[in-house]
Amino acid sequence: GAVVSQHPSWVICKSGTSVKIECRSLDFQATTMFWYRQFPKQSLMLMATSNEGSKATYEQGVEKDKFLINHASLTLSTLTVTSAHPEDSSFYICSARAGKGDTDTQYFGPGTRLTVL
Amino acid sequence: GNSVTQMEGPVTLSEEAFLTINCTYTATGYPSLFWYVQYPGEGLQLLLKATKADDKGSNKGFEATYRKETTSFHLEKGSVQVSDSAVYFCALYYGNNRLAFGKGNQVVVIP
Repeated sequence: GAVVSQHPSWVICKSGTSVKIECRSLDFQATTMFWYRQFPKQSLMLMATSNEGSKATYEQGVEKDKFLINHASLTLSTLTVTSAHPEDSSFYICSARAGKGDTDTQYFGPGTRLTVL
Repeated sequence: GNSVTQMEGPVTLSEEAFLTINCTYTATGYPSLFWYVQYPGEGLQLLLKATKADDKGSNKGFEATYRKETTSFHLEKGSVQVSDSAVYFCALYYGNNRLAFGKGNQVVVIP
């Protein structure tokens, strides 16, 4: 149980285009989803937290107009990288949690490798 | 602030060897501590956790003890297998759904 999937697993795009990454909780309802970014040999950095049906909360330094997050249902959140540039190339990982309240348990997707040419 | 530091570099060892991965943390208060494992092509999976000082988390032969006096949570396994080859992340939970991760350590076990 508690499986999170991401699609696509990897994507290559041209500079200036937009890319959408999907994150799905397959066997539970995710009240909250998280988006992380990971640079090579670096730790995961939290980009934003999204609750179903409300606007995402972005971490300091993350451009909300650049990284559009939509959490339209209890099983799906999307991250759209708008007008992508080579510096946006990275590994993007989502996670999800069930239930409400403060909890330390998150279930992680396998990640999406984005390469911007 | 809240942060986690893991030892630098990949770890390569032979099957049945003893594994140690160091992890130290900086935090306000006493956060919950975790080790996550990421196998190739898969998402991070929770390996073990400890929620208070002197707690020992254990799973699949791995152990880690929450040491408040040294602010450490080192991961150990007595006899590794090839199937333990993965990336291991130390993390702490500092409230409001937030996890802080270390950089991760690639572990390669050679038959």
